[in-house]
Amino acid sequence: AQTIHQWPVAEIKAVGSPLSLGCTIKGKSSPNLYWYWQATGGTLQQLFYSITVGQVESVVQLNLSASRPKDDQFILSTEKLLLSHSGFYLCAWSRRQPNERLFFGHGTKLSVL
Amino acid sequence: GDSVTQTEGPVTVSESESLIINCTYSATSIAYPNLFWYVRYPGEGLQLLLKVITAGQKGSSRGFEATYNKETTSFHLQKASVQESDSAVYYCALGGNYNQGKLIFGQGTKLSIKP
Repeated sequence: AQTIHQWPVAEIKAVGSPLSLGCTIKGKSSPNLYWYWQATGGTLQQLFYSITVGQVESVVQLNLSASRPKDDQFILSTEKLLLSHSGFYLCAWSRRQPNERLFFGHGTKLSVL
Repeated sequence: GDSVTQTEGPVTVSESESLIINCTYSATSIAYPNLFWYVRYPGEGLQLLLKVITAGQKGSSRGFEATYNKETTSFHLQKASVQESDSAVYYCALGGNYNQGKLIFGQGTKLSIKP
């Protein structure tokens, strides 16, 4: 069975500090990978997607970057956090076909102070 | 633009009563919309409840049903008799026929069931 592990569960960070969030998918080769974000009181929105190692497409500009260094790993990062980065970050994967359901991780709650 | 609007929560329903969570969508840039209900139970990750990719069809899962109505651009979630275990946050979502996994989510509806 496929599993998705997201880390950390929660982070409290200072404005201007760096950030790295990650997720790992086990049991599925060549998945599509995604980062979603929900600001407090906002809606979930897609930030990035990747259909293959080394290739990441940005969907929304939020001064964040993403990388896919391995087939089963997806990293979200920034060198300088903003207050507006606070929220809930979800990693997800799907099979490499249109209309496929997304499988989500448990998420990371980020508070930027 | 593309958007999803759903019943604003929180919603509280007594056990064994019926439930409807409204969802309407606007799909101006999606030629063939796909519609989803996702759910997040307490302590768990967001997971698919049901999906319908063809207008006029009905999806069902765990006693929940939703019909894709293209005329009214709606995808309401219904259940005839709720249980305490249905307490969760429900998200309506809109997707397209492409390989980018992009879903447009509603704001979520927190449902609490009174025993």
